[in-house]
Amino acid sequence: NAGVTQTPKFRILKIGQSMTLQCTQDMNHNYMYWYRQDPGMGLKLIYYSVGAGITDKGEVPNGYNVSRSTTEDFPLRLELAAPSQTSVYFCAVKGAGGAGTGELFFGEGSRLTVL
Amino acid sequence: TQLLEQSPQFLSIQEGENLTVYCNSSSVFSSLQWYRQEPGEGPVLLVTVVTGGEVKKLKRLTFQFGDARKDSSLHITAAQPGDTGLYLCAGAFYNQGGKLIFGQGTELSVKP
Repeated sequence: NAGVTQTPKFRILKIGQSMTLQCTQDMNHNYMYWYRQDPGMGLKLIYYSVGAGITDKGEVPNGYNVSRSTTEDFPLRLELAAPSQTSVYFCAVKGAGGAGTGELFFGEGSRLTVL
Repeated sequence: TQLLEQSPQFLSIQEGENLTVYCNSSSVFSSLQWYRQEPGEGPVLLVTVVTGGEVKKLKRLTFQFGDARKDSSLHITAAQPGDTGLYLCAGAFYNQGGKLIFGQGTELSVKP
């Protein structure tokens, strides 16, 4: 049981390049999230999805795009990468328990550096 | 815009001391969670509180949800070096669907 799988784990990008962070779950839950975390700080919500075909902006959506065509996959796309996007990105799935009470299960994180 | 204010941001204490971490918002939470994160890993859930005034205990950790559901605290009794880590509160708000936002985190260091 893999849970939440993120790829890649590490990536170095040049300014202006684009890339997609992949997130796949095998838990069959509807709610999925993308967060970014800067060193020693909390997590900032980028985008989230409450089910296939539905996405919504979080606290820091600028410079990112998402799609949710299936329950399993929730990719995060970075267009025109900037140094400010250097961070660790976490994908999370909310388990059973309702909109606010389910436990978040996190992937291992993707460490992105933009030079 | 809902914001979670978490304090203190850093805490360095000796083994055996007690400590309290606070999480506040100007908006009413529909529920609030506390997570603990170790370096290089994702956060792991400690507790979920839903009812105003609720108190939950997890060994030496005591979690309290304010009566007005705008604040929460985490109290650790007799801290141990194994408690070292980043503690995060995460809140859900009414009429915000599945949105879940985190506080800035409290970096706790417990020295032997």
